[in-house]
Amino acid sequence: SAVISQKPSRDICQRGTSLTIQCQVDSQVTMMFWYRQQPGQSLTLIATANQGSEATYESGFVIDKFPISRPNLTFSTLTVSNMSPEDSSIYLCSVEKTGTGDPYEQYFGPGTRLTVT
Amino acid sequence: GNSVTQMEGPVTLSEEAFLTINCTYTATGYPSLFWYVQYPGEGLQLLLKATKADDKGSNKGFEATYRKETTSFHLEKGSVQVSDSAVYFCALSGTNTGNQFYFGTGTSLTVIP
Repeated sequence: SAVISQKPSRDICQRGTSLTIQCQVDSQVTMMFWYRQQPGQSLTLIATANQGSEATYESGFVIDKFPISRPNLTFSTLTVSNMSPEDSSIYLCSVEKTGTGDPYEQYFGPGTRLTVT
Repeated sequence: GNSVTQMEGPVTLSEEAFLTINCTYTATGYPSLFWYVQYPGEGLQLLLKATKADDKGSNKGFEATYRKETTSFHLEKGSVQVSDSAVYFCALSGTNTGNQFYFGTGTSLTVIP
């Protein structure tokens, strides 16, 4: 398994500002993922972040709005830029780990609960 | 395309009742199937998984069987407890299009004493 921590755990921000969310993993992983979970809804993949390359964004998400850094194999950040109330969500970091004979699994951080006023 | 359809909630049960949460999927290839649980205020935790047809995943009294013929992976528990109150997500991964995860919409379960 993998132990993942996120900072901050929650924040209340004013519209027009930006927030950077940090994700730290207790072991080296190749792929890290950022998801958004809007109130009462399922998870939506924002982007996939591999160390040493540009993040790959899903349809509907752009780098200018959600810039991502992946400086090493245990850390990533997601910035929510120029926030609006529609960005109020839980943002989750996850990592993919494989073991011998195991299917690909994803392990999730505790999430960052963002409220934009 | 790949997708997961889950039984809509919320579901409210009395303690010791039997639980079933339905999950069906559409996928290319032969995916692995997962159930994740999200307790209030926390992130998602892997509850159980199955990697091939007829596999049964089990954990903490929960079970789910990978049924290829009905493309289903229903979650069951014989006797729920108040501590099982959470949101449950069905998911798949490992299709012909790669290892991206596809999640269902989640089913909220509340167990009352």
